[in-house]
Amino acid sequence: QKEVEQDPGPLSVPEGAIVSLNCTYSNSAFQYFMWYRQYSRKGPELLMYTYSSGNKEDGRFTAQVDKSSKYISLFIRDSQPSDSATYLCAMSASDRRKKLVFGTGTRLLVSP
Amino acid sequence: DAGITQSPRHKVTETGTPVTLRCHQTENHRYMYWYRQDPGHGLRLIHYSYGVKDTDKGEVSDGYSVSRSKTEDFLLTLESATSSQTSVYFCATGSGGGDTQYFGPGTRLTVL
Repeated sequence: QKEVEQDPGPLSVPEGAIVSLNCTYSNSAFQYFMWYRQYSRKGPELLMYTYSSGNKEDGRFTAQVDKSSKYISLFIRDSQPSDSATYLCAMSASDRRKKLVFGTGTRLLVSP
Repeated sequence: DAGITQSPRHKVTETGTPVTLRCHQTENHRYMYWYRQDPGHGLRLIHYSYGVKDTDKGEVSDGYSVSRSKTEDFLLTLESATSSQTSVYFCATGSGGGDTQYFGPGTRLTVL
């Protein structure tokens, strides 16, 4: 079993929909949680970063962390075709090596 | 954007030949990482560095070596390339704050 599980999709939604992307994990030592967005043939770009449990909002994006359930989510409001990409969750136990563990990514398709 | 460049961006080589990929950063980040990304596996850590001349293995290090003689440069070497090393290779850097990492544009390597 992988440390971080993420549904590969694809997830297809119409423009304007609310999108929910999720990851589950097994390592209770994870403290830092990130979401990356990766467009085709590009490098991943950091989208959201959260420390420990709670919510964080940035524009149309909201990240949630529920450490008791070992579950993290990314919500996208008013989705746009430009949001079509692969979304990767990543997390870290904050040891001194600063290593991240990634999910395999969920491909999102937003149709006009 | 952490000012990360990778070279070459594309390379086709033959089985058994040595290959060196270069990552260059301009942000003076302490941590540097090499990942490979393959369908169904997501991003997997090959090697990482937590300072000049300080490196360590990741989860898929067999067949790869690295060197870091300067803060800004991190080299990944395939001593004798095999077809299983056909992949997209990403370099990432991190300052250590919050464990966030920033990615380069990637190198697409094909081993025939």
